[in-house]
Amino acid sequence: DIQMTQSPSSVSASVGDRVTITCRAPHGLGAWFAWYQQKPGKVPKLLIHSTSTLQSGVPSRFSGSASSTDFTLTINKLEPEDFATYYCLQAGTFPAFTFGPGTKVDLK
Amino acid sequence: EVQMVQSGAEVKQPGESLKISCKGSGYLFSSYWIAWVRQMPGKGLECMGIIYPSDSDTRYRPSFQGQVSISVDKSTHTAFLQWSSLKASDTAMYYCARLSSLTHVDVWGQGTPVIVSS
Repeated sequence: DIQMTQSPSSVSASVGDRVTITCRAPHGLGAWFAWYQQKPGKVPKLLIHSTSTLQSGVPSRFSGSASSTDFTLTINKLEPEDFATYYCLQAGTFPAFTFGPGTKVDLK
Repeated sequence: EVQMVQSGAEVKQPGESLKISCKGSGYLFSSYWIAWVRQMPGKGLECMGIIYPSDSDTRYRPSFQGQVSISVDKSTHTAFLQWSSLKASDTAMYYCARLSSLTHVDVWGQGTPVIVSS
């Protein structure tokens, strides 16, 4: 089974901060990445797909990028509604359909 | 509107069997892979397996192979996740989700909570 690493596991931030979350795919897997936001008791919400494409309706303060084995979600100017847990998803040839362990963004 | 609507909450005893469902609507059901995703209490998301409704091609993550069964009924646009003998460790929220181009999940069901307790 492919093991994804996601860092940090948690981050405390303030409204207006910039937050960066990184997932690393072992062996430089050249597969697509997506990012999801989940709030307690809610269904995950798609933010970014195909590594850097913003899902329709998602604010432009969210962005995705990639370099080598690292895939990054950046939230610019954190808003109160952005406090949540974020998951990356690496898609490819199944069973390489793997979620990262999650990053909790909470209020400093 | 594209929707995935799941069956309701279940409370079962260890050793019992269970089949939960997920009905897709608003899109060409046979043309999109469907994934089942587990989320144990307070934990992250795990993709258990995927199925292609057109030909029932099914792939399981190794850790779930033999533990669950994924199936589909094209005629009713419904996917299923089944256990033959539940364990307490199967207690979790189970989501079905539509895969878009096998690159990401774009539509989620509302989730089916399963509690296994004696």
